Amino acid sequence: AQTVTQSQPEMSVQEAETVTLSCTYDTSESDYYLFWYKQPPSRQMILVIRQEAYKQQNATENRFSVNFQKAAKSFSLKISDSQLGDAAMYFCAYRSAYGGSQGNLIFGKGTKLSVKP
Amino acid sequence: GAVVSQHPSRVICKSGTSVKIECRSLDFQATTMFWYRQFPKQSLMLMATSNEGSKATYEQGVEKDKFLINHASLTLSTLTVTSAHPEDSSFYICSAYSGASYEQYFGPGTRLTVT
Repeated sequence: AQTVTQSQPEMSVQEAETVTLSCTYDTSESDYYLFWYKQPPSRQMILVIRQEAYKQQNATENRFSVNFQKAAKSFSLKISDSQLGDAAMYFCAYRSAYGGSQGNLIFGKGTKLSVKP
Repeated sequence: GAVVSQHPSRVICKSGTSVKIECRSLDFQATTMFWYRQFPKQSLMLMATSNEGSKATYEQGVEKDKFLINHASLTLSTLTVTSAHPEDSSFYICSAYSGASYEQYFGPGTRLTVT
C-alpha cells in the first residue's frame, strides 16, 4: 500500500521569504501523480501544484515549485515570496496512475504553515 | 474552472436521526465521486468511492449501513448518515473526478454536529 509522510507538523515563514515543505512517499508503482493541496481556514481544498511521475521536469506554478526526486521518493514544495494569504494547512497527496485516472488520493497528515508579517 | 458544491454547509441534528449531505458537480459530469471525513487538525480520510449507477466502494472500517452513499446521476452524489451519534460529528468533504481534466475537484465541506 502507498503511504505519504509529511514530517513537519508546523512551519513558519516571514512574509516575502521562501519556505520549503517536505513530503516523502512510499510506493512500488512506477507511474503515479503527486499533488500539493492547500486548505485555508475556510477548509476548501485548493490544488496548488501537480506532478506526473513520468516527467523529469519539476512542476512550477507562479510562486510555487516542487523538487521531485523520484529515486528518493521525495516531493517537496517551495513557496517563494511568501504572502499572508499563503497561511494554511498544506497536504501532500499521491494518486496511482493504474486502474484509470479516477483513483483516490492518499494524503499526508499535513503541515500547518504560518506567515509572519 | 470546475465547481463542486455541497449542501448543507453546516447541519446540527439530534442523536438517532438521519441527515443527508448532497454533493453536486455544477459544470461538469463526474462518473466518480469521493467522500472524505476530516477530524479537527487531521488529514482527510477516504470513506468511500462512488461511481455513477453502481454501488459505492467503502474503505475498511467504514460502516456502509451507517453511511449510505447514492450516486444516481453524473452530477449528484449523496451521503446519508443514518442514526447519527455524537461520534459521527465531523467535517465531511466530497470530491468529484472530471474526465475532461483528469482532476479531482473538492466541495467546500459540510460540518455535521450531532447533539
